[in-house]
Amino acid sequence: QKEVEQNSGPLSVPEGAIASLNCTYSDRGSQSFFWYRQYSGKSPELIMSIYSNGDKEDGRFTAQLNKASQYVSLLIRDSQPSDSATYLCAALGQAGTALIFGKGTTLSVSS
Amino acid sequence: DGGITQSPKYLFRKEGQNVTLSCEQNLNHDAMYWYRQDPGQGLRLIYYSQIVNDFQKGDIAEGYSVSREKKESFPLTVTSAQKNPTAFYLCASSMGYEQYFGPGTRLTVT
Repeated sequence: QKEVEQNSGPLSVPEGAIASLNCTYSDRGSQSFFWYRQYSGKSPELIMSIYSNGDKEDGRFTAQLNKASQYVSLLIRDSQPSDSATYLCAALGQAGTALIFGKGTTLSVSS
Repeated sequence: DGGITQSPKYLFRKEGQNVTLSCEQNLNHDAMYWYRQDPGQGLRLIYYSQIVNDFQKGDIAEGYSVSREKKESFPLTVTSAQKNPTAFYLCASSMGYEQYFGPGTRLTVT
């Protein structure tokens, strides 16, 4: 069974701090990884995608991928209360058709 | 505006009734997907379709059916055979690897 694992949290950080969200995956053949943000009662919103080892930055967000360790992370710099949400990590299966999702990590940013 | 629409937003049904959830996209995406989300759980794949008139079962297809007669539309029917149908249903579409979600339909069956 291919799996994506995330710490459910909650992860609590003060406003302005760096939030670090982590994810591991079991399918060594996975090549593409995604982070979605989901506010309570809403649908997931794609915020980052990463396909190769290393870091990818987009504004306050940095995604990191280490395929050898089967590890993906998302860093949120200068965290804001509006970043409070559940963050879902997803891996594209080796067949390249459908995403495998983790259960999500809940982030709470306090002002 | 380009996007994915799902209707209705909330749906209430009695046990034993079939119900069809609508999903439409005007993004010209080839692939469409249906996921189910239960409280505190990740998304689980029900069905997906990569081209018109073709679709494949996901991890939890039992009790569900789909059709893909048009590129823009991918309706999901929740049948009476689905044992625990109450959930948040999410439709997504993609052209490449990135999937984009509609607003979802919250189905309650009593």
